Amino acid sequence: EAGVTQSPTHLIKTRGQQATLRCSPISGHTSVYWYQQALGLGLQFLLWYDEGEERNRGNFPPRFSGRQFPNYSSELNVNALELEDSALYLCASSLGAVKWETQYFGPGTRLLVL
Amino acid sequence: EDQVTQSPEALRLQEGESSSLNCSYTVSGLRGLFWYRQDPGKGPEFLFTLYSAGEEKEKERLKATLTKKESFLHITAPKPEDSATYLCAVQPTSGGSYIPTFGRGTSLIVHP
Repeated sequence: EAGVTQSPTHLIKTRGQQATLRCSPISGHTSVYWYQQALGLGLQFLLWYDEGEERNRGNFPPRFSGRQFPNYSSELNVNALELEDSALYLCASSLGAVKWETQYFGPGTRLLVL
Repeated sequence: EDQVTQSPEALRLQEGESSSLNCSYTVSGLRGLFWYRQDPGKGPEFLFTLYSAGEEKEKERLKATLTKKESFLHITAPKPEDSATYLCAVQPTSGGSYIPTFGRGTSLIVHP
């Protein structure tokens, strides 16, 4: 069974640009979660999608946005990139909206903002 | 505000030298406490969920325990392949969204 996949693995942008990160959940999983893991910090919850709807978002500015497609894959968009957005962005999926405890994580996209 | 503090930040052990990692937490109401393992360049891998004080779970050389204020991840006779960063997270009961708060992790290195 294929795990959670993310693309691209690495992304280099300059300040002010936009970044788009993609995530494909495990087959059958309907919930997708996005996290930011900055160097030296814990995982910070960004967004949660389930059945195509945004269920919750963490304490991040509106320039962090995303969507979930009918096939449950998801996209994270970061507009007006700032240097401090440099981090590892992790996507996770779970079987249904109440299965937080069994999230399966992807390998992440490492975003570098210059 | 929910808080999770993990200690130590880094731990070096010799192969076979047992030790414990600590996760102290404050949360309005605990729905669950999670332990993950994260290898360099990879996403976290789920290890355990603990739901109530006194609960214990084991997997190979790892044993997780939970009290009302903290959780321990005991590593018995570790091997070099146990080297990784171990993350702890708490999931609150309040708010209905159950969004977990993660600690910064403990980086474990086991020397052969």
